[in-house]
Amino acid sequence: EAEVAQSPRYKITEKSQAVAFWCDPISGHATLYWYRQILGQGPELLVQFQDESVVDDSQLPKDRFSAERLKGVDSTLKIQPAELGDSAMYLCASSFQGLDEQYFGPGTRLTVT
Amino acid sequence: RKEVEQDPGPFNVPEGATVAFNCTYSNSASQSFFWYRQDCRKEPKLLMSVYSSGNEDGRFTAQLNRASQYISLLIRDSKLSDSATYLCVVNEGSARQLTFGSGTQLTVLP
Repeated sequence: EAEVAQSPRYKITEKSQAVAFWCDPISGHATLYWYRQILGQGPELLVQFQDESVVDDSQLPKDRFSAERLKGVDSTLKIQPAELGDSAMYLCASSFQGLDEQYFGPGTRLTVT
Repeated sequence: RKEVEQDPGPFNVPEGATVAFNCTYSNSASQSFFWYRQDCRKEPKLLMSVYSSGNEDGRFTAQLNRASQYISLLIRDSKLSDSATYLCVVNEGSARQLTFGSGTQLTVLP
């Protein structure tokens, strides 16, 4: 069964450092999403890509977060500088174009100290 | 007011019990609805879509009431393996973005 891949699975970093997360969606899925999930809450959308284009990044804190999907396949989410409040699970999801069902990767659990 | 609201629980039920979760959404233009299941420290996984006519998958039944903007999930004959957080999810528009509730935690006890 095809899966969304993410790395690293866990990341511990000190505040003010830079971190990057990688996601490889299910093959053929044109739409890719990055979410942030704080413990006890549901995932919240950070950015949505359609192929290589950003569809929505209205909830992305652009002063410190950036996301790219240069070739319309895998994607990178970067935080620079990291803050204590960024500690969360960062989830990547993908969906087939035109369909609503999203499939999630295992996530990257970030701890900022 | 949150766009998707769920009772956070926790719901603690014995094996074999029937349990129901409810969810309300605020955007009347919402187009599609889902229940996702999330195990502790794992990613959310699609449990089932929710259709206007209601739908059933084994022990799980989902229903949608558009007039009341209300979604439900019924689990019959609960198993220990059903212990998880159940997320109510709504697609609010053409951008195919999902809005998640905060989840309802279920623990099935032996």
